[in-house]
Amino acid sequence: QVQLVQSRVEVKKPGASVKVSCEASGYPFTTYGFSWVRQAPGQGLEWMGWIKTYDGNTNYAPKLQGRVTMTTDTSTRTAYLELRSLRSDDTAVYYCARARDYYDTSGYYLDASDIWGQGTVVIVSS
Amino acid sequence: EIVLTQSPDFQSVTPKEKVTITCRASQSIGSRLHWYQQKPDQSPKLLIKYASQPFSGVPSRFSGSGSGTDFTLTINSLEAEDAATYYCHQSDSLPLTFGGGTKVEIK
Repeated sequence: QVQLVQSRVEVKKPGASVKVSCEASGYPFTTYGFSWVRQAPGQGLEWMGWIKTYDGNTNYAPKLQGRVTMTTDTSTRTAYLELRSLRSDDTAVYYCARARDYYDTSGYYLDASDIWGQGTVVIVSS
Repeated sequence: EIVLTQSPDFQSVTPKEKVTITCRASQSIGSRLHWYQQKPDQSPKLLIKYASQPFSGVPSRFSGSGSGTDFTLTINSLEAEDAATYYCHQSDSLPLTFGGGTKVEIK
């Protein structure tokens, strides 16, 4: 079945970087891109960006531009999220979720994310 | 950035009651509005896509409606397993955004 399996827990110091992984199975890897969404403790969902697996094109949330890099490795069917210059308010659960992009008569869009990983806990603490 | 405003923030409901959650967008987004359910310590699950299309395997008691700026998620005959936080999510323009969530508690 379709599954996204993420790395479990990361503990980092302020100023460090973290790289979270998301391994996909059960579908043709390059037919879907990946959104990354995070959720701070007790808070709502925040979209961080999206990567097109087919060609590596990315769209990042403006507030994270410059600190975030999304990549994929087709040989291992894995998507990666790297976040640099970590701060305490980056402490959150980080989710990968697959989503396609598409064009219609109105323009270019991302589809709803239909399958999500189980989440990676990232703790930023000195 | 499109802001999604959900109401109410919290709802305490008796089993078999009907639940209605609304989501208002700060500008027209057509039908590019989706609903997710998140139970404690779980990842979000897609319920409804494009305002009214049920995702595969979602119970028929969940339905969605609306277009433009005003959208509704309805849960007919609430069951105990529906206790969760529900989020609306727009994919009309980047950056994608989520509503603040509506927590549904079972009385």
